[in-house]
Amino acid sequence: QQQVKQSPQSLIVQKGGISIINCAYENTAFDYFPWYQQFPGKGPALLIAIRPDVSEKKEGRFTISFNKSAKQFSLHIMDSQPGDSATYFCAATRGTPLVFGKGTRLSVIA
Amino acid sequence: NAGVTQTPKFQVLKTGQSMTLQCAQDMNHEYMSWYRQDPGMGLRLIHYSVGAGITDQGEVPNGYNVSRSTTEDFPLRLLSAAPSQTSVYFCASSYNRGGYTFGSGTRLTVV
Repeated sequence: QQQVKQSPQSLIVQKGGISIINCAYENTAFDYFPWYQQFPGKGPALLIAIRPDVSEKKEGRFTISFNKSAKQFSLHIMDSQPGDSATYFCAATRGTPLVFGKGTRLSVIA
Repeated sequence: NAGVTQTPKFQVLKTGQSMTLQCAQDMNHEYMSWYRQDPGMGLRLIHYSVGAGITDQGEVPNGYNVSRSTTEDFPLRLLSAAPSQTSVYFCASSYNRGGYTFGSGTRLTVV
């Protein structure tokens, strides 16, 4: 049973465009929703995170939108750059270790 | 400040061999986890610990053992390596259950 479903598997965006990655979760007890960014050959790194008491969090070009009633959250990357090309993972936790989505490979092309 | 250190970075094992993947953190984090990453499968939890002396199983624990005798170290033991354990292994630690710091990974090949 996959607790966090992530889509799309891969995404190609033009430089300057908006990248959108979506996740849906099943367990309503989850109380922390982070996004991780991973470059080839490296470990995942925390990018941005949100708790369910807010509907949106923005850090620079990265925004998380959270819809508690729909049990969905998404990552928006504004003004996408080639340096944003990486694999992105959504995750969720309720105080135990993180449960990850399967990842989205983002390619930003010039 | 080294963060989370994993050794070795690369390892080739023969089927049936045993080995220990090392993980150490210098941030005094209570929470530590081991994940494996396979193409198209994301990051799957193997074992985790919420403090020294306390460990529990994750999603894919079979074939792996862990122990947590100190806050700093959380080694992962492969008892009898199988080709299905070929993967990239990541150790992670956190002070607040959510904001995990990951190591750079161990790429394991079992032949």
